[in-house]
Amino acid sequence: SAVISQKPSRDICQRGTSLTIQCQVDSQVTMMFWYRQQPGQSLTLIATANQGSEATYESGFVIDKFPISRPNLTFSTLTVSNMSPEDSSIYLCSVRDRGDYGYTFGSGTRLTVV
Amino acid sequence: DAKTTQPNSMESNEEEPVHLPCNHSTISGTDYIHWYRQLPSQGPEYVIHGLTSNVNNRMASLAIAEDRKSSTLILHRATLRDAAVYYCILLVGSARQLTFGSGTQLTVLP
Repeated sequence: SAVISQKPSRDICQRGTSLTIQCQVDSQVTMMFWYRQQPGQSLTLIATANQGSEATYESGFVIDKFPISRPNLTFSTLTVSNMSPEDSSIYLCSVRDRGDYGYTFGSGTRLTVV
Repeated sequence: DAKTTQPNSMESNEEEPVHLPCNHSTISGTDYIHWYRQLPSQGPEYVIHGLTSNVNNRMASLAIAEDRKSSTLILHRATLRDAAVYYCILLVGSARQLTFGSGTQLTVLP
């Protein structure tokens, strides 16, 4: 199955600043997905990132707050902009594996906004 | 959205089998049943998936009801490392993304 490297693993940020999270995959994938997991909650899909086109955002998430880049088939970034304490969450990227291995997830970025 | 219903929590004794149920009464013919688990402080991990027939892999077995309205994830011999939140997810038709519900918190007792 695919291997995902997600950075940083954790960060503590000041409110009003921005953080960019990187997701690197060891194989080429068509779609990458970004999720948010708030404390004690399940995962919520933020957006789907396709190479060569704008990301598709889910209801409640907007590009100005969560801009996404997808410069090639193995890499994507998610930026959390103008952060507030409510943005404190774990952010995860995911890809669908080729073959029959389901979806693979990164280990997540634990963000704390103070 | 096609939804799944799982118990909030379950307990099992170590080295005993565990049967984790999932109801998905609104499933359509092309919807795949996926199971993932999330260990503490980790991202979700793929466990198994199936469409109509029962499936086995090195991690678990998936038993799918004949009418496909329910399924059961079977861990044949629970270990302490199997303590996690288990998510049953329907991959709907042409959708490409997973939609997570609240899952079942499995506690394994020594």
